[in-house]
Amino acid sequence: AQSVAQPEDQVNVAEGNPLTVKCTYSVSGNPYLFWYVQYPNRGLQFLLKYITGDNLVKGSYGFEAEFNKSQTSFHLKKPSALVSDSALYFCAVRDYDQAGTALIFGKGTTLSVSS
Amino acid sequence: ETGVTQTPRHLVMGMTNKKSLKCEQHLGHNAMYWYKQSAKKPLELMFVYSLEERVENNSVPSRFSPECPNSSHLFLHLHTLQPEDSALYLCASSQDLWDRMGGYTFGSGTRLTVV
Repeated sequence: AQSVAQPEDQVNVAEGNPLTVKCTYSVSGNPYLFWYVQYPNRGLQFLLKYITGDNLVKGSYGFEAEFNKSQTSFHLKKPSALVSDSALYFCAVRDYDQAGTALIFGKGTTLSVSS
Repeated sequence: ETGVTQTPRHLVMGMTNKKSLKCEQHLGHNAMYWYKQSAKKPLELMFVYSLEERVENNSVPSRFSPECPNSSHLFLHLHTLQPEDSALYLCASSQDLWDRMGGYTFGSGTRLTVV
């Protein structure tokens, strides 16, 4: 069975500092991995995805994520946080070998960036 | 506006009421999904439709009844709900259930409160 773990309920960081939001996954085959962001009273918005190739994936708003197969992780990063990055972030996975299955999401991590 | 519209945005209903949530997309997508979002819990996949056929029902209580009359519309019919059903209900669509690399487009959700 597929699953996603986001070990932190909340991450606090000062504006201008680097940020990391952690995600680990479990699939029986090869993973397709996604990050989504949710602002208050809005649905989830796509940030970036890893399908294959370079382990460092770049996405929207200056975010990037690093795929690490040996650690089964896909942490979200940004070199310099902005107050406007404050939101709820979801990691999601799909098993490449399980055709026709839906995305499985984690519980989300609240990112709070202080000025 | 993302292309996926959910109505109503907010709904308060009593435990004996019957109501329906509506989701509409005009993106030409062939797969649609209902997710339940509760605080500090993983997004819970409820139902999956592909080409108007239900392909997944994740042990959801029968007081939730989905309907997909065509590829653009998805409903969630609610009756005799419990207070623990209070949550944000998200609708999403994707190009195709079999598109492993594709992400989802989410609506803004319906905030449901059961009193």
